[in-house]
Amino acid sequence: SAVISQKPSRDICQRGTSLTIQCQVDSQVTMMFWYRQQPGQSLTLIATANQGSEATYESGFVIDKFPISRPNLTFSTLTVSNMSPEDSSIYLCSVEGGLRDGYTFGSGTRLTVV
Amino acid sequence: AQSVTQPDIHITVSEGASLELRCNYSYGATPYLFWYVQSPGQGLQLLLKYFSGDTLVQGIKGFEAEFKRSQSSFNLRKPSVHWSDAAEYFCAVASDSSYKLIFGSGTRLLVRP
Repeated sequence: SAVISQKPSRDICQRGTSLTIQCQVDSQVTMMFWYRQQPGQSLTLIATANQGSEATYESGFVIDKFPISRPNLTFSTLTVSNMSPEDSSIYLCSVEGGLRDGYTFGSGTRLTVV
Repeated sequence: AQSVTQPDIHITVSEGASLELRCNYSYGATPYLFWYVQSPGQGLQLLLKYFSGDTLVQGIKGFEAEFKRSQSSFNLRKPSVHWSDAAEYFCAVASDSSYKLIFGSGTRLLVRP
């Protein structure tokens, strides 16, 4: 299965600023996914990112707040823009290695907004 | 749209006792089902998955799960729990039409010594 390197692992940011999270995969993958895990909660899908096309956002998430780039088949970034304390969460990227192989997750970015 | 329900928010079992975590899904066709575990401060680890065939699937760490189409369930079991099994367990479902992995709300397992 794919190995994902996610950076940064954690950050403390001031409200009103932006943070870009990077995910690097050790193999080419078609689909990458970005999730948010709020404190004590489950994972909620933010968007699906395919190379060469605009990301597809889930209900409740918008591109202006969470712009995503997918420049090639091994890399993606998620930006959390104009942050507020409510954005404090763990953000995870994931790749699909074929439904029969399952999904691999990055180690997550723990974001605290103060 | 596909969805997953984990009715138990918390479960406490004694070490050595058996465990069953419940998961119900909603999806029209045959789903792809997964169980993940997340230990405190750790990432997500895949325990097992089901996509077709034998309805009883074996996973890592001594876990197994049974797919029951008639009950739309995919419950996770372990015959004897270890203290190191204390963690958050997530059931998830995907389909070959959307490939989106949708998670249940999770069940926190506490293990009594």
